[in-house]
Amino acid sequence: DQQVKQNSPSLSVQEGRISILNCDYTNSMFDYFLWYKKYPAEGPTFLISISSIKDKNEDGRFTVFLNKSAKHLSLHIVPSQPGDSAVYFCAAQAENTDKLIFGTGTRLQVFP
Amino acid sequence: NAGVTQTPKFQVLKTGQSMTLQCAQDMNHNSMYWYRQDPGMGLRLIYYSASEGTTDKGEVPNGYNVSRLNKREFSLRLESAAPSQTSVYFCASSEDRALPYTEAFFGQGTRLTVV
Repeated sequence: DQQVKQNSPSLSVQEGRISILNCDYTNSMFDYFLWYKKYPAEGPTFLISISSIKDKNEDGRFTVFLNKSAKHLSLHIVPSQPGDSAVYFCAAQAENTDKLIFGTGTRLQVFP
Repeated sequence: NAGVTQTPKFQVLKTGQSMTLQCAQDMNHNSMYWYRQDPGMGLRLIYYSASEGTTDKGEVPNGYNVSRLNKREFSLRLESAAPSQTSVYFCASSEDRALPYTEAFFGQGTRLTVV
C-alpha cells in the first residue's frame, strides 16, 4: 500500500513557465516532507523540505506548499529552466524515525 | 570527498545466482539505507540500519539480507536472485535527524538485471 503517491508520472512545461508537481499521502503521522531531484544515472539529491506545522517553504525558484487537511503537497518551480528536467520524488518522514518513504516520482521535462 | 560509493555499477545475474551489493560512506553517518527503484513504483525501502549492528526491514525486504559490517559499510545480499529483483538499487546514508528532518545522501546506484 503506497503511503506517498505522485499521480502524474510525467509533466512537460515550457521554459520560463511554472511547473507544479503534486504529491498525496495517507499517513497522518508524517511530520516532515521532502522533495528530491534525480538526473539519469545519478542518485537522488535533496531539494527542499517542509514541516507539517507549516504550509509553505520557499527556496529561490522552488516553493513547496502543504495542505495538511487534504494530505496534499505540491512543488512549484518558477521560472522553469531546461536544467530542471529530471525526475522529482516526494518523500515523507514520521516523527522519531530516520526512514524516508518515497513517492512514485514525476518526470519533468522543460522545453525551450 | 566521495560521499556514498556503491559497487558494482552494473550486474547481470542468472536466476538462482547470489551476489552482494556493496555500499560505503565516508560522512560518518550513523544511518544507512537500501532502496530499489522500479518504473511506476518509485523508490522503495528494502532495509535500514540506524547504527552499526542494527538493521530493520523496510517496505520490500523479502528476498534480501543485509549486513552492517561497521559504521561505514552496509551490504545487500541476494541469496537466490529472481527476475522480479531486476531493478536499480540505491544505497543512502544520513545523520540521526541532526536537522529536524533526514537529509539522505545517495550513491549513484547499481543497475541489476536478473535473466
